[in-house]
Amino acid sequence: DSGVTQTPKHLITATGQRVTLRCSPRSGDLSVYWYQQSLDQGLQFLIQYYNGEERAKGNILERFSAQQFPDLHSELNLSSLELGDSALYFCASSAGLTGGEQYFGPGTRLTVT
Amino acid sequence: GENVEQHPSTLSVQEGDSAVIKCTYSDSASNYFPWYKQELGKGPQLIIDIRSNVGEKKDQRIAVTLNKTAKHFSLHITETQPEDSAVYFCAAITYYDKVIFGPGTSLSVIP
Repeated sequence: DSGVTQTPKHLITATGQRVTLRCSPRSGDLSVYWYQQSLDQGLQFLIQYYNGEERAKGNILERFSAQQFPDLHSELNLSSLELGDSALYFCASSAGLTGGEQYFGPGTRLTVT
Repeated sequence: GENVEQHPSTLSVQEGDSAVIKCTYSDSASNYFPWYKQELGKGPQLIIDIRSNVGEKKDQRIAVTLNKTAKHFSLHITETQPEDSAVYFCAAITYYDKVIFGPGTSLSVIP
């Protein structure tokens, strides 16, 4: 158990809908990272937050957004969902900024029908 | 764009043999190189990492080497065991926290 929690575990929704994925980092960790894992794209870095502020951006679509709240939990919002958004979404946390050991959560499996 | 290449994509070894996975990165701003093991149905788990000011690091049966000039880094697993079977990912992280993962290597250790 990494200490990172993600909810829900599974999510099934229809195209065009909007969903919110939630992540609680390990106690004391200030950084939260979001990743998308699909069969054909591997692990893609989406975005990182550090202590409530956006720190780094990867291949995140404009339809996706994230935020980190004062209690350090984070949410990833996916809107106007397409079939191609079906994937595993992982959250990871680390203590600080650059080059920190990241601990991954168990993931949320999103299926868009 | 910047990327990380990883080879081989699949690797099958006999129990007790060694396994080597190689990665190449392109972004010269990368200064941290972790390796992750992902078992079926689970999130990636960090197994070893190396920073750009170090050439080699060992942890029991696992070692990582880094050649910063050539932008290569490798994972070495010795005395492989069936429980080492998993997908392994390398990653390159820049000093400004951009993260790029390699495409993964599926390792099978045959008893």
